[in-house]
Amino acid sequence: DAEITQSPRHKITETGRQVTLACHQTWNHNNMFWYRQDLGHGLRLIHYSYGVQDTNKGEVSDGYSVSRSNTEDLPLTLESAASSQTSVYFCASSDSGLANTQYFGPGTRLTVL
Amino acid sequence: DAKTTQPPSMDCAEGRAANLPCNHSTISGNEYVYWYRQIHSQGPQYIIHGLKNNETNEMASLIITEDRKSSTLILPHATLRDTAVYYCIVRALISGYALNFGKGTSLLVTP
Repeated sequence: DAEITQSPRHKITETGRQVTLACHQTWNHNNMFWYRQDLGHGLRLIHYSYGVQDTNKGEVSDGYSVSRSNTEDLPLTLESAASSQTSVYFCASSDSGLANTQYFGPGTRLTVL
Repeated sequence: DAKTTQPPSMDCAEGRAANLPCNHSTISGNEYVYWYRQIHSQGPQYIIHGLKNNETNEMASLIITEDRKSSTLILPHATLRDTAVYYCIVRALISGYALNFGKGTSLLVTP
């Protein structure tokens, strides 16, 4: 069955380190998204991509970057991790179309010490 | 995208129908109503969506009023596993594909 996976599921890192969170989907969806979820803020969009070589900034993109070299993967990189980036990160994908729906991965819990 | 209003929390007895309301009085003609839910510590899960007709799938039914200013998600026979936060999202096609999650309704299904 098609699915969307994230790795690692849990990560502890130190302030200033570069961290990359992986997202892989096997639906062949064009659209992929990264969200973060914090208490009191709900889900907020970080970056998104509508296809290979396409990336766009979301609501809370500062300190994060993404690259899309193929359809299946959209890795999220924290260039220099900060304690404010401690959060749960969710990746999602959707097909193109008028009423597409998004399918979410299981999440990565990141702690920055 | 239109703003949505949901009650912060609701209770439902196991086996009974859970009716979750959502107000979206500023909805535009090209905006869809989506429902997602998030079970604790898991990724959000798509439930159902509709434009103006009522919709039903294996998980739930979506009732949209004729003026489209409100909708109700119905879980016909709630189980303990339906305890989750339910999000009503109204999304315009022209705003792209990103979802704007609000606070949602925390549904507690009790034995």
